[in-house]
Amino acid sequence: SQTIHQWPATLVQPVGSPLSLECTVEGTSNPNLYWYRQAAGRGLQLLFYSVGIGQISSEVPQNLSASRPQDRQFILSSKKLLLSDSGFYLCAWRGQLRLVVGAVNIYGYTFGSGTRLTVV
Amino acid sequence: KQEVTQIPAALSVPEGENLVLNCSFTDSAIYNLQWFRQDPGKGLTSLLLIQSSQREQTSGRLNASLDKSSGRSTLYIAASQPGDSATYLCAVTNAGGTSYGKLTFGQGTILTVHP
Repeated sequence: SQTIHQWPATLVQPVGSPLSLECTVEGTSNPNLYWYRQAAGRGLQLLFYSVGIGQISSEVPQNLSASRPQDRQFILSSKKLLLSDSGFYLCAWRGQLRLVVGAVNIYGYTFGSGTRLTVV
Repeated sequence: KQEVTQIPAALSVPEGENLVLNCSFTDSAIYNLQWFRQDPGKGLTSLLLIQSSQREQTSGRLNASLDKSSGRSTLYIAASQPGDSATYLCAVTNAGGTSYGKLTFGQGTILTVHP
């Protein structure tokens, strides 16, 4: 079965410290992978997406970067965290959902359990 | 630029009521629309997904409809239960474009079902 793992679940980091959040996917190959952020009182914002190894696209300019060293691994990083980087970070992959409606398989999103990052 | 709006922002109902959550989007050129549930401090759980060619999807007590031409979707929850309390998010994937498969989310509806 297809699963997505994201860690850590919770992280408290001081301003100026580095960051590394990891996401891995099992049960699929060459998935499209995404990093979203949910800031307090705001909606979900797409940060990065990747359609393959080493291919990263950024949606918004920011203090963060992403890398995809392996097919099913997606990493979110920062060299120096800012207070504004606090939020709930979600990794997601887009692929065929395990459901069939009629005779049509559908491509949709599956999200990880998220990382709550607090920068102090 | 795709924009997604959800109404109401919050809803509180007694247990057993049927309820409707609304979602509207500005660009009708979508690939599909997905409804998610988010419990406090948790990730997103996919509830229903409707392809652009479909009109509705059903799963248990949930029914989602899609009117692509008018840019609207509704999530109908029958016989609500306290366990349905959560934030419900609507998101669309645009067809084509350069942001491959990007999801655009609404702000969500916070649902509280009280016993």
